[in-house]
Amino acid sequence: AQTVTQSQPEMSVQEAETVTLSCTYDTSENNYYLFWYKQPPSRQMILVIRQEAYKQQNATENRFSVNFQKAAKSFSLKISDSQLGDTAMYFCAFMIGRGGADGLTFGKGTHLIIQP
Amino acid sequence: NAGVMQNPRHLVRRRGQEARLRCSPMKGHSHVYWYRQLPEEGLKFMVYLQKENIIDESGMPKERFSAEFPKEGPSILRIQQVVRGDSAAYFCASSPTGTGVISFFGQGTRLTVV
Repeated sequence: AQTVTQSQPEMSVQEAETVTLSCTYDTSENNYYLFWYKQPPSRQMILVIRQEAYKQQNATENRFSVNFQKAAKSFSLKISDSQLGDTAMYFCAFMIGRGGADGLTFGKGTHLIIQP
Repeated sequence: NAGVMQNPRHLVRRRGQEARLRCSPMKGHSHVYWYRQLPEEGLKFMVYLQKENIIDESGMPKERFSAEFPKEGPSILRIQQVVRGDSAAYFCASSPTGTGVISFFGQGTRLTVV
């Protein structure tokens, strides 16, 4: 079974600062995907960024980037130039890459607060 | 192209009643996933369906819960004889294929059992 651990229940930073959210996972699989989802107060789950395990290059989406360390099973999210609208719950998630079976396994989330 | 549509957004049921949650996937998507989110928790996988087929229901409670995705119409998550512990947010996601990328979630249905 796969597990995803987010060790920071809550983080708070000032607007425009850079913040890193940590995520570790455990699996014996070699082919998998990793995701970060954002859940603002509206509760909508929004995909922020994804990483295929076979790709060595870290994924980047505008102000969001990941540090994927496969050997260490670590997948942290860096948010640069943080904005008030980044305030949300952030969930790290894992999926085995064999056609959607088992679905996504989520961590418990990190509540990120961006202070003005 | 509307996103994943779930209804109702909020549902209140008394203990023992039935709850029916609906999910219309994005146009062209034939794969649907249901997840449950308890307070202060991440989402937990429940079931994965394709049209007219349940592919993986390993996350579904063995009793009272069922899901379907008919050839026509939305996917339905049905909870019979609801109990207080069923109170949660239920999310649906869809994808065009079953190959690991879930980009589109609905806004969820918040079920409250009183």
